[in-house]
Amino acid sequence: TQLLEQSPQFLSIQEGENLTVYCNSSSVFSSLQWYRQEPGEGPVLLVTVVTGGEVKKLKRLTFQFGDARKDSSLHITAAQPGDTGLYLCAGVELSNDYKLSFGAGTTVTVRA
Amino acid sequence: NAGVMQNPRHLVRRRGQEARLRCSPMKGHSHVYWYRQLPEEGLKFMVYLQKENIIDESGMPKERFSAEFPKEGPSILRIQQVVRGDSAAYFCASSPRQGASEQYFGPGTRLTVT
Repeated sequence: TQLLEQSPQFLSIQEGENLTVYCNSSSVFSSLQWYRQEPGEGPVLLVTVVTGGEVKKLKRLTFQFGDARKDSSLHITAAQPGDTGLYLCAGVELSNDYKLSFGAGTTVTVRA
Repeated sequence: NAGVMQNPRHLVRRRGQEARLRCSPMKGHSHVYWYRQLPEEGLKFMVYLQKENIIDESGMPKERFSAEFPKEGPSILRIQQVVRGDSAAYFCASSPRQGASEQYFGPGTRLTVT
């Protein structure tokens, strides 16, 4: 099993501030996905990054895939209370394109 | 277009009882994946099934756990003789074809073993 480390585990910021969540591994992945999970619900896919060095933007969210396809980051600009949630990264294994390896998640709280 | 459905949403079992978790994939999806989420941990892959076939069960404990996806009806994850350590959230995902890029997750079943 390929392991993904997410940091920080918890993040609490004031509305309007910026934040970055990191996802690191010693393994190479064919692609990497970011999910958001609300309490009592399943993960919802936000974005998939495929190419090393790729940057994708989703409104105030910016996702980056490392050049070596081992790490990724999620940056939120001008965070809002609606951004509160659990953010999970998941890597797709090279040898098994159906198997997702998840990080433990970062719980983000944005205070009004 | 209904999403992935799981039931029950919450299940309480005493130690030694059996737990049956059901997953109805999205319409048109014939691939189902089960994941387990322990407290403070990420989701862990358990098993991948296509209709009537188990493709990969490498993440599923070899004892007490079994999964099926019959030709008709939902996919079932069955846990026999449950123990406290089985308490977790169990999620299933479905996709129209093999691959991680199109997996849609259900809301999960929270299993509590007392």
